[in-house]
Amino acid sequence: AQSVTQLGSHVSVSEGALVLLRCNYSSSVPPYLFWYVQYPNQGLQLLLKYTSAATLVKGINGFEAEFKKSETSFHLTKPSAHMSDAAEYFCAVSPLFQGAQKLVFGQGTRLTINP
Amino acid sequence: GAVVSQHPSRVICKSGTSVKIECRSLDFQATTMFWYRQFPKQSLMLMATSNEGSKATYEQGVEKDKFLINHASLTLSTLTVTSAHPEDSSFYICSALRGGTEAFFGQGTRLTVV
Repeated sequence: AQSVTQLGSHVSVSEGALVLLRCNYSSSVPPYLFWYVQYPNQGLQLLLKYTSAATLVKGINGFEAEFKKSETSFHLTKPSAHMSDAAEYFCAVSPLFQGAQKLVFGQGTRLTINP
Repeated sequence: GAVVSQHPSRVICKSGTSVKIECRSLDFQATTMFWYRQFPKQSLMLMATSNEGSKATYEQGVEKDKFLINHASLTLSTLTVTSAHPEDSSFYICSALRGGTEAFFGQGTRLTVV
């Protein structure tokens, strides 16, 4: 079985500061890992995904995440926050052999950017 | 990227009536689609897996007679909330699987039952 824990339901950073959103996963089989962003009253947009290739994954909008098997983590970072980054972020896991099927989502982290 | 369109984006219905939500993959064929439910300030909970040409697979605790899913074509899945009640009010999101490995999400439907 798979599960995802996102540490911190709400993160607030200043514009231009580093963004760090934490995600730890549990999986009995090699996982696919994803980060999605959700703007108010909208669906989810894929930021990036880990599919067992490079452990450092670069995504859209300047975000990147590093897969650390020893720490069972897949934290999302962005060097410099922009006001438009304010949104809800979800980490998700799926068994490697299932691709993006049967995604299990974390609880979400609301990112607020202070001017 | 691929486009998944969900309709309507917002619907208000009276208690006891049924509501149909459509999920369309506009530029690819999807044999598998997923339906999620999201409560305010919470994560997405998978309700069911919709398979083209066969019965949907429901997650534990989801009433299949209340949430009817039909996946009649490779580009359309529908979710019908039957005899809706206020506790069914929620944000419903679909996703369509492209190539078996990439999921693309619709914009979501906010259902309010009054």
